[in-house]
Amino acid sequence: EAGVTQSPTHLIKTRGQQATLRCSPISGHTSVYWYQQALGLGLQFLLWYDEGEERNRGNFPPRFSGRQFPNYSSELNVNALELEDSALYLCASSPGTGGVYEQYFGPGTRLTVT
Amino acid sequence: GQSLEQPSEVTAVEGAIVQINCTYQTSGFYGLSWYQQHDGGAPTFLSYNALDGLEETGRFSSFLSRSDSYGYLLLQELQMKDSASYFCAVRDYQEDKIIFGKGTRLHILP
Repeated sequence: EAGVTQSPTHLIKTRGQQATLRCSPISGHTSVYWYQQALGLGLQFLLWYDEGEERNRGNFPPRFSGRQFPNYSSELNVNALELEDSALYLCASSPGTGGVYEQYFGPGTRLTVT
Repeated sequence: GQSLEQPSEVTAVEGAIVQINCTYQTSGFYGLSWYQQHDGGAPTFLSYNALDGLEETGRFSSFLSRSDSYGYLLLQELQMKDSASYFCAVRDYQEDKIIFGKGTRLHILP
C-alpha cells in the first residue's frame, strides 16, 4: 500500500510569489491535514480537510489556503510569500474524521523563500 | 488556551531507559498520541492513550493520567537508532483541532 505522497520535494520561491504544494493521501483515507514545521518550532497545525470540506484551520493568515479534491488529494496554496514562510510543510492523512489515533505523514515539501 | 509542554532535550545512554514527559492543557480531550521523527524524515506514529494507564508496544510504552493532564513515553533498552525527536499530540474536541508539542530531542550516548 502506497503511503502519503507530497510534491514537490523542494520548492524555492521569492518573496511575494505564490507556492502550491500537493498531497495524495493513503488510499481510503478521507482526512488530510497540513502542518508547518519551522526550525525548532515543532509542528504547527495549518489546515484540516475531510470529505472535500475544510474542517478547521490553525492560527495562520488567510494567505494560507487550500482545498481537497473529490479523490481526497489536497493542495496547499501560500500567497504573497514571506521569508518566514520558509519551512517544511507536512501533509498527513487518516481514515475518517478521527485522526485521534494516528496520522500517516508524507515526506514533506521543503519551501525556501528568498 | 491550549498548550502541550515537553522537555526540549533529553540525553540517555545506550541500553538504558528514558522517560519523556508531556503535560497538556486543552478545552476538550480525546487522547494523547506520540510520534517519532528522525532528522530529515517524516513523523511516524508510535502510540495512543485514551484511558488512564500504561500501554506497551515492544520496547516503547506510553502512560496517561487524565486527572493530572499528564502522560509520558517510556523507551527501554535504548538503541542508537532511537536518537530522534519525539512529539506528543492531543485532539482538542472543543476547538476541533490537533495540537502537537514542540518535541523532545533524544540524544543517546554510546
